[in-house]
Parts: sequence; structure tokens; C-alpha cells
Amino acid sequence: ETGVTQSPTHLIKTRGQQVTLRCSSQSGHNTVSWYQQALGQGPQFIFQYYREEENGRGNFPPRFSGLQFPNYSSELNVNALELDDSALYLCASSLAALTDTQYFGPGTRLTVL
Amino acid sequence: QQQVKQSPQSLIVQKGGIPIINCAYENTAFDYFPWYQQFPGKGPALLIAIRPDVSEKKEGRFTISFNKSAKQFSLHIMDSQPGDSATYFCAASMGSGAGSYQLTFGKGTKLSVIP
Repeated sequence: ETGVTQSPTHLIKTRGQQVTLRCSSQSGHNTVSWYQQALGQGPQFIFQYYREEENGRGNFPPRFSGLQFPNYSSELNVNALELDDSALYLCASSLAALTDTQYFGPGTRLTVL
Repeated sequence: QQQVKQSPQSLIVQKGGIPIINCAYENTAFDYFPWYQQFPGKGPALLIAIRPDVSEKKEGRFTISFNKSAKQFSLHIMDSQPGDSATYFCAASMGSGAGSYQLTFGKGTKLSVIP
């Protein structure tokens, strides 16, 4: 059984650009949540996808968007990057309806210059 | 509004000591309280979790104590080892519709265990 995987590991972008981050959920998990973790802070909830639909969103602007695919993998897209978007982006998967336990991937470190 | 407050920010203990990390929450609708361990450059790893219907839960060297009336919960690490040196996060969530168990995290406690 494979765990949650994320790609790429690191990414450097400039202000105003767009970025796409990818996540493969743990085998059998149908729910994916995305979190942003700024340096020295706890993760903050961005949004969650369940069966390809957005199912809950945190306090993030619309330029943060996502997708979930039929195989339950997911993408996080961020448009018009700002310096404050520099952070570790974490994906977590869970098996909805049976447990609220979330398992995190290693994250993607995004640096915006 | 910070819904989960964690303390202390950092903690140094000797090997074999029992570090205690505390968290307090505000939202009484929270019904699931996990603790995560995070090493530098890695994602958070689930350690142990508790629900409000029990006051204590033990898994190996890790124990959660839960006080529902005070809206507080804490993590105790028995016989701490240098390998336990990491950042620990408490979190809380509530079910709200299909699959919506978004986690609200504390700010983290950096634990250093000295040999």
C-alpha cells in the first residue's frame, strides 16, 4: 500500500505566475484535503475534495483552486502568485464516511520570488 | 481567530523525561483531536488521536489527556528519546457533511530531547 505522494518536491516561481501542484492519495482513499504551511506555523486548511467535488473551503482567495480526478488524485492551482504564497503545500488523504483520520504527504515547497 | 491554542512554543527535556504539550480549543463542535509529529522537510505524521467521550488514550509512549469541561487536551511523551526531537502539532476537527473533516491546527511546539 503506497502512501500519499506529491510532486514536485520543490518549485521556484516569480510573482504573478501560475503554479500547479499534484497529489496522489493513499490507496483506497477518496477524499483529498490541501493545506498551506508557512514557515514556523501550523498547516492551514485550503479546501477539500470528495468524489471530485469541492467539499469545504478555508479562508483562501479564489485564485486558489483545485481539481480531483476519477482516480482520486488531485491538483492545487494558484494563479497570480504573491510573495506570501511561499510555503509548504501539504496534501492529505482520508477515507470519508469511515474515518476522519487524515494522512499527509511530504509536501511541495513553493518559493515565490 | 485562532481556534486551537498550543503551548509551549518550544520545549527542551533530558532523555527519559516526560515532555507535556498543551492545547486549548474554543469551538465546542470539535469532536476529533489528533496530534501530529513533523520532522524538518517532511509532512506531518499522525501520532495519536482522541474523541471527547474518553478522558485518556495511550499508544506506546504517547498519551493524550482530554478535559472536555475545560476544553483542553495535552500530549505526554513517556521516556522521551533524542529521536523524538521534532515539531508537534495538535489539531481539531468536526464532521460537517460528507467528508468534511477539515483540521484546525495549533501553531506547533518544537521539542528537543537532549541525550
